[in-house]
Amino acid sequence: AQSVTQLGSHVSVSEGALVLLRCNYSSSVPPYLFWYVQYPNQGLQLLLKYTTGATLVKGINGFEAEFKKSETSFHLTKPSAHMSDAAEYFCAVSDTGGFKTIFGAGTRLFVKA
Amino acid sequence: ETGVTQTPRHLVMGMTNKKSLKCEQHLGHNAMYWYKQSAKKPLELMFVYSLEERVENNSVPSRFSPECPNSSHLFLHLHTLQPEDSALYLCASSREAGGPSNIQYFGAGTRLSVL
Repeated sequence: AQSVTQLGSHVSVSEGALVLLRCNYSSSVPPYLFWYVQYPNQGLQLLLKYTTGATLVKGINGFEAEFKKSETSFHLTKPSAHMSDAAEYFCAVSDTGGFKTIFGAGTRLFVKA
Repeated sequence: ETGVTQTPRHLVMGMTNKKSLKCEQHLGHNAMYWYKQSAKKPLELMFVYSLEERVENNSVPSRFSPECPNSSHLFLHLHTLQPEDSALYLCASSREAGGPSNIQYFGAGTRLSVL
């Protein structure tokens, strides 16, 4: 069965600092991997996805993630945090044939001025 | 109007009430989803519809009853709910159900409180 683990329910960084949100997955088949962001009082929206090909994926708002099969990880990074990045971030995995996307528990990012 | 629209945004109901949540997507997608989002818990998939046919029912109690009359509309009918059902209910749609096209577009959710 597929699963997603996000390490740290809360992460706090200073404005301008590196953002690193961790995600590890388990899947018995090659996975599709996603990062979504949820701003207050809104639904989730896609930041980036990995399906096949290049393992470093760039998304919106300067975020990127690297798929590392050997580590079963898909960590999300941004070189320089902005106040507007404060939100909750969800890592998700789906398999190549199923209907389910499994979401992690989410990591809330706080950005300090 | 574009995207995924959910109504109402907030709902307070007693345990004996019957109410319905509505979701409408204007993206031409074939798949629609209901999720439950509770505090400090992962997003829980409730139902998946593909081309108006239910393809996933994730052991959801029968007090939640979905309806998908066409590919643009999805309802969640609620009756005799429990206080632990209080949560944010999110609707999503995607071009197809599953696979690399399964980028989901979410509505803003209905915040449900059961008293």
